[in-house]
Amino acid sequence: LAKTTQPISMDSYEGQEVNITCSHNNIATNDYITWYQQFPSQGPRFIIQGYKTKVTNEVASLFIPADRKSSTLSLPRVSLSDTAVYYCLVGDTTGGSYIPTFGRGTSLIVHP
Amino acid sequence: EAGVAQSPRYKIIEKRQSVAFWCNPISGHATLYWYQQILGQGPKLLIQFQNNGVVDDSQLPKDRFSAERLKGVDSTLKIQPAKLEDSAVYLCASSLDEEGWWTGELFFGEGSRLTVL
Repeated sequence: LAKTTQPISMDSYEGQEVNITCSHNNIATNDYITWYQQFPSQGPRFIIQGYKTKVTNEVASLFIPADRKSSTLSLPRVSLSDTAVYYCLVGDTTGGSYIPTFGRGTSLIVHP
Repeated sequence: EAGVAQSPRYKIIEKRQSVAFWCNPISGHATLYWYQQILGQGPKLLIQFQNNGVVDDSQLPKDRFSAERLKGVDSTLKIQPAKLEDSAVYLCASSLDEEGWWTGELFFGEGSRLTVL
């Protein structure tokens, strides 16, 4: 399994763009990158998934460089409600078994 | 669409007692996961079922933890006997995923918070 490394915590202010980078140096050819968000007292929630280049949905954007050794989750114009822990997962979604493995995540605190 | 249901939401027991958690996944979801989340840490996968077969249970402490998914639908996770370090939130998740077709999108329940005294 590809190991991921994220910053433990980040601080931001309302209205700013937040970029959280995940390092996955030993990502395999068939691995996809998936991000989850977790609020206190709730289970994680799927945000976005990508394989290469850029993916955008109504919540966030995911930027993946050509070498795929890192990825960046971008949250545009954050609000207080974006305060949460964000997890980056890497795994092969094309093979026989996909084992979703969470790291410690990045705790994002958005200040007024 | 109904989400993943878990019960109980909270449980307090003394060490060496037993406890069981129940999970009902989203209808039609083939894969079911049990995670343990200790305060301040990310969720740790305990066991993953696909239908009623086990895909992975490498991190399940089998001397005290057991899980079953009869008929490939709902599931029960049991701890017997409990230790102080078992205090955590136990999260159940489900996904449509099946072997050879993985979306990587898990749907989580609200969790069951266990306190062992």
